[in-house]
Amino acid sequence: QSVLTQPPSVSAAPGQKVTISCSGSSSNIGNNYVSWYQQLPGTAPKLLIYDNDVRPSGIPDRFSGSKSGTSATLAITGLQTGDEADYYCGTWETSLSAGVFGTGTKVTVL
Amino acid sequence: QMQLVESGGGVVQPGRSLRLSCAASGFSFSQNGMHWVRQAPGKGLEWVAVIYNDGITKYYADSVRGRFTISRDNSKNTLYLQMNSLTAEDTAVYFCARNPSRVDIAATDYRGQGTLVTVSS
Repeated sequence: QSVLTQPPSVSAAPGQKVTISCSGSSSNIGNNYVSWYQQLPGTAPKLLIYDNDVRPSGIPDRFSGSKSGTSATLAITGLQTGDEADYYCGTWETSLSAGVFGTGTKVTVL
Repeated sequence: QMQLVESGGGVVQPGRSLRLSCAASGFSFSQNGMHWVRQAPGKGLEWVAVIYNDGITKYYADSVRGRFTISRDNSKNTLYLQMNSLTAEDTAVYFCARNPSRVDIAATDYRGQGTLVTVSS
């Protein structure tokens, strides 16, 4: 069972905005950086955001990350059908000296 | 172009061993921490292990500690995962990933397709 909690699913129409929350604690998100990943069906995960809010080269600015206290949020604006995927947050769990991922959120474009 | 090519997966009986490899190219392998992450069929991502660029500092998930060993050969730009005492719960696609951050060891950047490990009698 993951220490990072995400909503199982979110949905919105094309062009709209969705936000995905990632809730943790002081031993993980509260004192560490957060990253976000997109996983299209049958493919490897893709890094979208790292260091809380940094986009790797090639990731469009429709994707943005933020962190406040023990929670983090991924926002996707201008939603496209190609954004339909599973999304995961990740961070370091200090109490375990281990990496951890969130439970995952399925994004559906209506 | 950064590339990571995982290999070594296959079908193995419970209790046996397997060694995975990850060949890296397109970046300075010796300067990056490297991870193994796995995904069981139909499940979410599970972090497995990380090795720092020095090859000395290593951390493991509780589920694999004592059974799995992560290592690297910077002269060959290759990451390894030695898996012993395998059980059905280790059945998953295994991905290797580069740590792209200077401040967050947990961040993982994937550029391969993974290798499937199936533990079954």
